[in-house]
Amino acid sequence: SQTIHQWPATLVQPVGSPLSLECTVEGTSNPNLYWYRQAAGRGLQLLFYSVGIGQISSEVPQNLSASRPQDRQFILSSKKLLLSDSGFYLCAWRGDSYNEQFFGPGTRLTVL
Amino acid sequence: SQQGEEDPQALSIQEGENATMNCSYKTSINNLQWYRQNSGRGLVHLILIRSNEREKHSGRLRVTLDTSKKSSSLLITASRAADTASYFCATAPMEYGNKLVFGAGTILRVKS
Repeated sequence: SQTIHQWPATLVQPVGSPLSLECTVEGTSNPNLYWYRQAAGRGLQLLFYSVGIGQISSEVPQNLSASRPQDRQFILSSKKLLLSDSGFYLCAWRGDSYNEQFFGPGTRLTVL
Repeated sequence: SQQGEEDPQALSIQEGENATMNCSYKTSINNLQWYRQNSGRGLVHLILIRSNEREKHSGRLRVTLDTSKKSSSLLITASRAADTASYFCATAPMEYGNKLVFGAGTILRVKS
């Protein structure tokens, strides 16, 4: 069966510091991968998605970047965090034969 | 702007009652999906309804889709305290390929 992991679960970082959030998927190959951000009490905003290794599509201009160095690994990064980067970050995957997306447990990021 | 808009924003009911949440969207879609999110957790897929379907059931869940009105409803029958969560509709717009667009969600509280 497929599983999706995210770490860390929570993170408190100072403004201006770098960021690296990791997402890995097990039990499937060549998944579509997604990074979302969820502000408190709000819906999900799609940040990046990837259909394959090295293929990244950015949805909104921002302080963040994404990379997919391996088939089942998706990384969200920033060189210098802003206060507005605080939020709940969710990774999701979708297989070719599925329409639904499967979500990881999320990372709660607080930028102080 | 977001594709899906849910209403009500919040709903509080007694255990055993039915809960109905509505979702409206703006453009043509391939399918519409409903997800549940428990506080501080990732999203869990509940049910998917395709654009050529009008109604779908899964256990205590009933979803309807009216493509002429660009709207959907999620009915949870005989609610339980464990149904307390946020519920999101997500549309797969025809022009968006592999992406989903999420609404802001309905917060459901079931009182025991």
